[in-house]
Amino acid sequence: NAGVTQTPKFQVLKTGQSMTLQCAQDMNHEYMSWYRQDPGMGLRLIHYSVGAGITDQGEVPNGYNVSRSTTEDFPLRLLSAAPSQTSVYFCASSYRIDSNYGYTFGSGTRLTVV
Amino acid sequence: GNSVTQMEGPVTLSEEAFLTINCTYTATGYPSLFWYVQYPGEGLQLLLKATKADDKGSNKGFEATYRKETTSFHLEKGSVQVSDSAVYFCALSDRPGGSYIPTFGRGTSLIVHP
Repeated sequence: NAGVTQTPKFQVLKTGQSMTLQCAQDMNHEYMSWYRQDPGMGLRLIHYSVGAGITDQGEVPNGYNVSRSTTEDFPLRLLSAAPSQTSVYFCASSYRIDSNYGYTFGSGTRLTVV
Repeated sequence: GNSVTQMEGPVTLSEEAFLTINCTYTATGYPSLFWYVQYPGEGLQLLLKATKADDKGSNKGFEATYRKETTSFHLEKGSVQVSDSAVYFCALSDRPGGSYIPTFGRGTSLIVHP
């Protein structure tokens, strides 16, 4: 089925460990983004990309890296995990970074940093 | 800058009751407006959208009308079901010339009792 696939669904990390959250879409969407969702905070944008080779920072980029080598994939890297990065992470994509198109979200990765 | 304000939840209703979730926005350009729904343990799904003033978006019995004069996009449903229990997010995205990145409200939790 077409859509946004995120892996893993759950992850527990120790403080200081690094890991990569994977995101892949098969809809040929140009725009991809990463959000974190925390209770009472809604969705906060971490990083986004408007096409292969182009990335930019969102509202809360510190502690995270991204790259976009292909249209399909947009991995999010945690460099040195901290308890403050405990959250649910969502990847979202859209055909274009344009107002008339809604976004397709993945099912999320629940990350706990201990 | 752009912002979206939603009524705080949770909203608790009995089955077959009328639902209204308020959403107001502030935008510098001419935004498109969206409602997303998030069921427990899942990612957000686009529920409906409206791209210009006085447009009405509708889907699955839900409706929302783009009111430019009151800068509002309230979500309504005439008769809610237990299966509508979820978190609802209002969002906006500016048209070309403004910021394309969507701005989300903090979400409103809906609980429907049998």
